[in-house]
Amino acid sequence: GESVGLHLPTLSVQEGDNSIINCAYSNSASDYFIWYKQESGKGPQFIIDIRSNMDKRQGQRVTVLLNKTVKHLSLQIAATQPGDSAVYFCAERGGSYGQNFVFGPGTRLSVLP
Amino acid sequence: GAVVSQHPSWVICKSGTSVKIECRSLDFQATTMFWYRQFPKQSLMLMATSNEGSKATYEQGVEKDKFLINHASLTLSTLTVTSAHPEDSSFYICSARALVRSLAKNIQYFGAGTRLSVL
Repeated sequence: GESVGLHLPTLSVQEGDNSIINCAYSNSASDYFIWYKQESGKGPQFIIDIRSNMDKRQGQRVTVLLNKTVKHLSLQIAATQPGDSAVYFCAERGGSYGQNFVFGPGTRLSVLP
Repeated sequence: GAVVSQHPSWVICKSGTSVKIECRSLDFQATTMFWYRQFPKQSLMLMATSNEGSKATYEQGVEKDKFLINHASLTLSTLTVTSAHPEDSSFYICSARALVRSLAKNIQYFGAGTRLSVL
């Protein structure tokens, strides 16, 4: 049967402010992580990735931080824009998951004018 | 980045009919493609991993006879939902793994998804 629906955590930020989206991952042996952005009715889009031998990686307006000690990943978006409104998923790969990616529950980012 | 095309984007069908969804890698060859299912306000759930020329590997709880996967070429994988019922209504997303040589790593690129509505 259909799974019980889960309410996505929601983060609301003012346009121009910085956003921080958090993700707790489960597999300590995961060696590669990706953040994806999914707009309504569309497939996920790759944003940025990071390997487990790094703790920080920067892209254009985005920064990913990895804390392996507490199995925590965060995505920071600088100067958040209306176009950043979407659901953001972190995905982990490796260890018992092999080459498959396992997705976190997602966070909905709403940018307020 | 690499482009993955998924078709159709939305399909409405009657209960009991079968629906085929296509996933194509447009500018690269994908030896491995993945099929996901996503319910509203939920995350992506991997259904199966499809390798070109071999049988798909299904995740636990996914019915092989219900969700038929064919990966006949390096650029095309299809998912057929057989005898669809209302509970099969969902958002189905495919992805293809591409080796990005300039980055020396594999990245999964996603299709735009197919919304299946079974009446």
